[in-house]
Amino acid sequence: NAGVTQTPKFQVLKTGQSMTLQCAQDMNHNSMYWYRQDPGMGLRLIYYSASEGTTDKGEVPNGYNVSRLNKREFSLRLESAAPSQTSVYFCASSERNRGSQETQYFGPGTRLLVL
Amino acid sequence: AQSVTQLGSHVSVSEGALVLLRCNYSSSVPPYLFWYVQYPNQGLQLLLKYTTGATLVKGINGFEAEFKKSETSFHLTKPSAHMSDAAEYFCAVSEPGGTSYGKLTFGQGTILTVHP
Repeated sequence: NAGVTQTPKFQVLKTGQSMTLQCAQDMNHNSMYWYRQDPGMGLRLIYYSASEGTTDKGEVPNGYNVSRLNKREFSLRLESAAPSQTSVYFCASSERNRGSQETQYFGPGTRLLVL
Repeated sequence: AQSVTQLGSHVSVSEGALVLLRCNYSSSVPPYLFWYVQYPNQGLQLLLKYTTGATLVKGINGFEAEFKKSETSFHLTKPSAHMSDAAEYFCAVSEPGGTSYGKLTFGQGTILTVHP
């Protein structure tokens, strides 16, 4: 199993450009998440999808949109990139087992630089 | 709303010394608690977690953490540091049930440096 995969690994954008970050998981997990990581701020939740067909805003959703394409894939779109969106983006997934709190499994990250 | 505070953004220890990384949380209900580790240029991986039951939790690579409800703490320890433990460590909390089910709130992270 590849686990959680993300593409691209690294991207440079100019202000105002758009792009989509791709995420896929092969663990048959129900829930998927997008985080951004900034120095000294830990990881902050952008959007999440509790199950296929549903998406909800997290802590920092402004400037982003998401699509839960199917159970495996969860994409994050920046419609008009801004320098404040320079960050490392992580996708994660979890089984959402109601018997106990599930572990989230993380992808390797996408480093985004907006000039 | 829940929050997590990690005391010390950088911790430096000698190889073989005790590792202690501090984590305090605030939550309206008894939470689930996690420690994740991030090696350079990699994603996060789970070290250990507390959900219910025994308050002393053992994880991978010799790490353990103790949930102390009275102190709202979940500090991470390892008796003897190894060079390979150098990484960034994140404490996280999740509230059982309700609309926040499954969503993690992370602390700011602590970078652990291990000196020979």
